[in-house]
Amino acid sequence: GAGVSQSPSNKVTEKGKDVELRCDPISGHTALYWYRQRLGQGLEFLIYFQGNSAPDKSGLPSDRFSAERTGESVSTLTIQRTQQEDSAVYLCASSLAWDDTEAFFGQGTRLTVV
Amino acid sequence: DQQVKQNSPSLSVQEGRISILNCDYTNSMFDYFLWYKKYPAEGPTFLISISSIKDKNEDGRFTVFLNKSAKHLSLHIVPSQPGDSAVYFCAASARTGNQFYFGTGTSLTVIP
Repeated sequence: GAGVSQSPSNKVTEKGKDVELRCDPISGHTALYWYRQRLGQGLEFLIYFQGNSAPDKSGLPSDRFSAERTGESVSTLTIQRTQQEDSAVYLCASSLAWDDTEAFFGQGTRLTVV
Repeated sequence: DQQVKQNSPSLSVQEGRISILNCDYTNSMFDYFLWYKKYPAEGPTFLISISSIKDKNEDGRFTVFLNKSAKHLSLHIVPSQPGDSAVYFCAASARTGNQFYFGTGTSLTVIP
């Protein structure tokens, strides 16, 4: 497709389980960003990739969160031992280059931890 | 530490009138500002941007104003239409950085 694709669109998981969220950026976009939006809050930066490397991991809320990107394409965000406070919409965005100032967002994955 | 702030969580405007959405920022390194529009169950979509070398940028019904001394920007929608009802996020970035900082959003409702 032409846009950023995220899967699954919805995920309900039990507390303590691990989850993987997937992002397919726009083809050719070298920069990829993960954000999350918890209920009633703004968009919170998690991590960004320049190519396959992540120079800035400062936004990851805990060591239960990790992300990787391969082939300068697909990225996965993994949350281990999920907690209820991890419930949020996780948004992925991509941009053409690392210094591009416009990002294109996917529809997000709504994660509910019960 | 919220570097970009949108102090109005919601706004209601009559169709045809002007909608004004406000945004404040604290980091003087920010030099590029964007507005995103978000419908329920969809990702944000880019609406309009402004560079710090300008104080105004227009695109159709949408105009963004930037007041650098006050570290304030606003989005004007004239005339407002029911289809404009959405959550609007203000975002900022610095050319030397690679991160977009978002406000918490303002939910706009345009009443027919």
